[in-house]
Amino acid sequence: DAKTTQPNSMESNEEEPVHLPCNHSTISGTDYIHWYRQLPSQGPEYVIHGLTSNVNNRMASLAIAEDRKSSTLILHRATLRDAAVYYCILNTGNQFYFGTGTSLTVIP
Amino acid sequence: KAGVTQTPRYLIKTRGQQVTLSCSPISGHRSVSWYQQTPGQGLQFLFEYFSETQRNKGNFPGRFSGRQFSNSRSEMNVSTLELGDSALYLCASSWTALSSGANVLTFGAGSRLTVL
Repeated sequence: DAKTTQPNSMESNEEEPVHLPCNHSTISGTDYIHWYRQLPSQGPEYVIHGLTSNVNNRMASLAIAEDRKSSTLILHRATLRDAAVYYCILNTGNQFYFGTGTSLTVIP
Repeated sequence: KAGVTQTPRYLIKTRGQQVTLSCSPISGHRSVSWYQQTPGQGLQFLFEYFSETQRNKGNFPGRFSGRQFSNSRSEMNVSTLELGDSALYLCASSWTALSSGANVLTFGAGSRLTVL
């Protein structure tokens, strides 16, 4: 199984940018990099995905290293509602390999 | 558009019993995946169905099974329940992002199973 490695936890101050790192050294050429987040008592929620180029959407930005062995999810201004577990996932075909996730705490 | 609906949300069973969980995907989504989430193992892939056929299967014993109906609704069954089967069972339906061609998952809220 393709694996991802993330820090167990991170903290950020409210309204500051947050950079959540992910390593995926075994990524194959056709794997997409996805990020999902899970709020308490909810299922995971899609955040963003990319293949090779950096991506932006209304929720976040995804920066992908040139060798694709790592990526960073960027939340531009953290809010209290962004406190969640963030999962970095490699997507091969119809299979999604979830890592252990990073628990993000946002400090008011 | 209604989201992914899972029923029941909570249930309690005893060891040895069997359980059936239901998932209704977003209308028009034909792929349904199931995941098990536990504190110790995190999110683990169980299986994926597309057009009533199981396309992929994770590394779970045969006690875990599933099926998909012609309307894309899916059920999963766990027989001879063990204490370790206590978990949050998540269902997701997938859609294809037009910009990239990647599959994207939409999850339900899950069914929390407690085995006593």
